[in-house]
Amino acid sequence: QQQVKQSPQSLIVQKGGISIINCAYENTAFDYFPWYQQFPGKGPALLIAIRPDVSEKKEGRFTISFNKSAKQFSLHIMDSQPGDSATYFCAASSSRSWGKLQFGAGTQVVVTP
Amino acid sequence: DSGVTQTPKHLITATGQRVTLRCSPRSGDLSVYWYQQSLDQGLQFLIQYYNGEERAKGNILERFSAQQFPDLHSELNLSSLELGDSALYFCASSFGQGNQPQHFGDGTRLSIL
Repeated sequence: QQQVKQSPQSLIVQKGGISIINCAYENTAFDYFPWYQQFPGKGPALLIAIRPDVSEKKEGRFTISFNKSAKQFSLHIMDSQPGDSATYFCAASSSRSWGKLQFGAGTQVVVTP
Repeated sequence: DSGVTQTPKHLITATGQRVTLRCSPRSGDLSVYWYQQSLDQGLQFLIQYYNGEERAKGNILERFSAQQFPDLHSELNLSSLELGDSALYFCASSFGQGNQPQHFGDGTRLSIL
């Protein structure tokens, strides 16, 4: 049973548009929520991460929004660029479980010129 | 470049065989994590080592084992291979035992014929 549910499975957005990916979790022990970006033939790369004591974190064009009560978090990619075309994974873990990241199924994002 | 080196990049073998996957963590990192990525299961945490000691275990089969050596490189041993073991195996590293995996290698693609 997947502990982190991610949607949509795929996304096509025009250059300059906003890409939004959503994730939901059940385990209230989770206290670390990272997003990873993966290009074909490469390993995942940590993009941005948030802890539940804040509701939003922004790094450049990437923003995580976190809703603790709804147990949901999302990634917004502003001003999407063709170079952002990749698969994005949300993940979650508990500080009591060291590196046991639970990954979502991934979202393939395609940014059209 | 994440600084995490995995060898070999590709491995083709037959059912029932045994293989060893190798990982060199980023310079200075003490924790090594192994993940399996397959189409049906997604990214699954297998095991974590910190400074030579096992720290966390995930969905790792009994046919699989790992170790981290004094020079901090790690090896994942897969034995009695089955068709279902075909997957991408990623190694990741981080500095501390309480940190989450930050730097992923580009993976070893294992194909079982």
